[in-house]
Amino acid sequence: DGGITQSPKYLFRKEGQNVTLSCEQNLNHDAMYWYRQDPGQGLRLIYYSQIVNDFQKGDIAEGYSVSREKKESFPLTVTSAQKNPTAFYLCASSLRTPGSGYNEQFFGPGTRLTVL
Amino acid sequence: DQQVKQNSPSLSVQEGRISILNCDYTNSMFDYFLWYKKYPAEGPTFLISISSIKDKNEDGRFTVFLNKSAKHLSLHIVPSQPGDSAVYFCAASTNTNAGKSTFGDGTTLTVKP
Repeated sequence: DGGITQSPKYLFRKEGQNVTLSCEQNLNHDAMYWYRQDPGQGLRLIYYSQIVNDFQKGDIAEGYSVSREKKESFPLTVTSAQKNPTAFYLCASSLRTPGSGYNEQFFGPGTRLTVL
Repeated sequence: DQQVKQNSPSLSVQEGRISILNCDYTNSMFDYFLWYKKYPAEGPTFLISISSIKDKNEDGRFTVFLNKSAKHLSLHIVPSQPGDSAVYFCAASTNTNAGKSTFGDGTTLTVKP
């Protein structure tokens, strides 16, 4: 039963604390992504990784960090430097076949982070 | 500068009628386009896609049309069903970095019984 799991579903954090959001996939996908969604807005790319031990900043990487030590896992850390971290965070993965066409992304259920 | 725009935040249609969701893009390098459907508090799910070498792609009740000269695509749902009520996101990507997509802000579709 392949898919993407994100944990926890809801997360509360005190201002000034770092917090790590988990993302695991068993689809054997090379590429993984982290997005942030705010109310009434689309998905904004935070970081993405196309291969293990490599990742690139997306459009809104400031205040976030990631690691990609295993193909299956792509955790996102929301640091205290992120000024407005309350949002819905989505992780996704896709096949990576550069130059051969599109690859749709498969999304996890999301984590709602609230900073108190 | 938002490269993918969905200018209608919401759309309401009657069950059985056609739903037309629109999307405009500005980056002429985009050559793959995807539509995703999203229910509240869930992740988006892939719906249908189209390559720039085509102008139409059909999958059951869903059809996507691409007008490259106008940099415009649309998703048609016929007939619309109450279960289609969701947020629909348009996304675009380039062949050089397939998989990394730019998303629009979404259109909330409500299908009334």
